Amino acid sequence: EVQLVESGGGLVQPGGSLRLSCAASGFTFSDHYMDWVRQAPGKGLEWVGRIRNKANSYSTEYAASAKGRFTISRDDSKNSVFLEMSSLKNEDTAVYYCARVVVVAGNYITDVWGQGTTVTVSS
Amino acid sequence: DIQLTQSPSSLSASVGDRVTITCRASQAIRNYLVWFQQKPGKAPKSLIYAASSLQSGVPSKFSGSGSGTDFTLTISSLQPEDFATYYCQQYNSFPITFGQGTRLEFK
Repeated sequence: EVQLVESGGGLVQPGGSLRLSCAASGFTFSDHYMDWVRQAPGKGLEWVGRIRNKANSYSTEYAASAKGRFTISRDDSKNSVFLEMSSLKNEDTAVYYCARVVVVAGNYITDVWGQGTTVTVSS
Repeated sequence: DIQLTQSPSSLSASVGDRVTITCRASQAIRNYLVWFQQKPGKAPKSLIYAASSLQSGVPSKFSGSGSGTDFTLTISSLQPEDFATYYCQQYNSFPITFGQGTRLEFK
């Protein structure tokens, strides 16, 4: 069964840091790009960023809200992708999802999502 | 950044109804659009990709159309499990962006 499980969420003070993990199973993780998407309480979905695979140099893309503060990385030997967040703000409070990217007829789309991990930024 | 505007923001309907949700992009995105369904407390589930292609395992009651800047999601014969929030997402260019969502509620 294809599965993604996020962990690492919690309560952090403004200005603090947190590292989220997403453990993948049931598929060849190293082949796939991975996305992070977040959802603030009662709000819509916001794409955070993407990391590509080794064949594409593990290159990354970020939303403007994440650029310079968040870093996406991966460890293919551990079938995991990470979201390192620093200089956290109250507005970063959200459920954070990781999602697998698949290529279907030339379309780079997400097909499997984790259950999410909750990050609360508050003093 | 490409802005996606969904309409309506909320919609009341009854079991058996046919409903249509619209997503308009601030600039042309070819057909690089996905529709998601999200239920409370759950991760989003993709329904349609490339504007009109049904994701594997998704019932044919869901259909999508459009290209360029104007897109629609149609759900026919609404069932209780279809009442949820629906989002469009463009993947034509970075940053990937979502519409604000359409909440489909029981009338």
